[in-house]
Amino acid sequence: AQTVTQSQPEMSVQEAETVTLSCTYDTSESDYYLFWYKQPPSRQMILVIRQEAYKQQNATENRFSVNFQKAAKSFSLKISDSQLGDAAMYFCAYQLTGANSKLTFGKGITLSVRP
Amino acid sequence: GAGVSQSPRYKVTKRGQDVTLRCDPISSHATLYWYQQALGQGPEFLTYFNYEAQPDKSGLPSDRFSAERPEGSISTLTIQRTEQRDSAMYRCASSRGTSGRAGTDTQYFGPGTRLTVL
Repeated sequence: AQTVTQSQPEMSVQEAETVTLSCTYDTSESDYYLFWYKQPPSRQMILVIRQEAYKQQNATENRFSVNFQKAAKSFSLKISDSQLGDAAMYFCAYQLTGANSKLTFGKGITLSVRP
Repeated sequence: GAGVSQSPRYKVTKRGQDVTLRCDPISSHATLYWYQQALGQGPEFLTYFNYEAQPDKSGLPSDRFSAERPEGSISTLTIQRTEQRDSAMYRCASSRGTSGRAGTDTQYFGPGTRLTVL
């Protein structure tokens, strides 16, 4: 079975600074996808970024980028130029390749942004 | 519709009562998922539908939980004889369900139904 681990329950960052959120996962598969979802106080689930395991290039979406280390099974999220609106809970998730595949989530990390 | 909608947004019930939660996916999305999210935890898979078929219900915690999607669109999740441990956020997500690489089938989440069992 696949597992996703987010070992840091909370992190804090100063506005305009950079912060990195860690995630590790365990799988015996070679073809899969990894995601970061954001859950703000409204408790919506918003997709931030996704990474395809067969791609070596790290995904980037504006201020958000990932550091994907497939051999180490590590998938961290870097938020640059942090904004107050980035304050939220962030979930790392794994999805096996194939149609109709469920997401497996980590426990999440709460990010606070100091003005 | 423009996005995934769920109703009700909040539900408070007494232990032992039955509740039914509703999910209206993005129109034309073939696949619909249900997740349960306890407070302070990540969502956990319950079941999913491909149109009206329900290929996997392995995540349903007990036979008190059931789901259906009779016409391949709107889905309901029913919890019979609710217990306090059922209190959680119940999330629905939909995806296009195209064959091929799962990554092209991004799951879009609804706002969730927060269930409280007293």
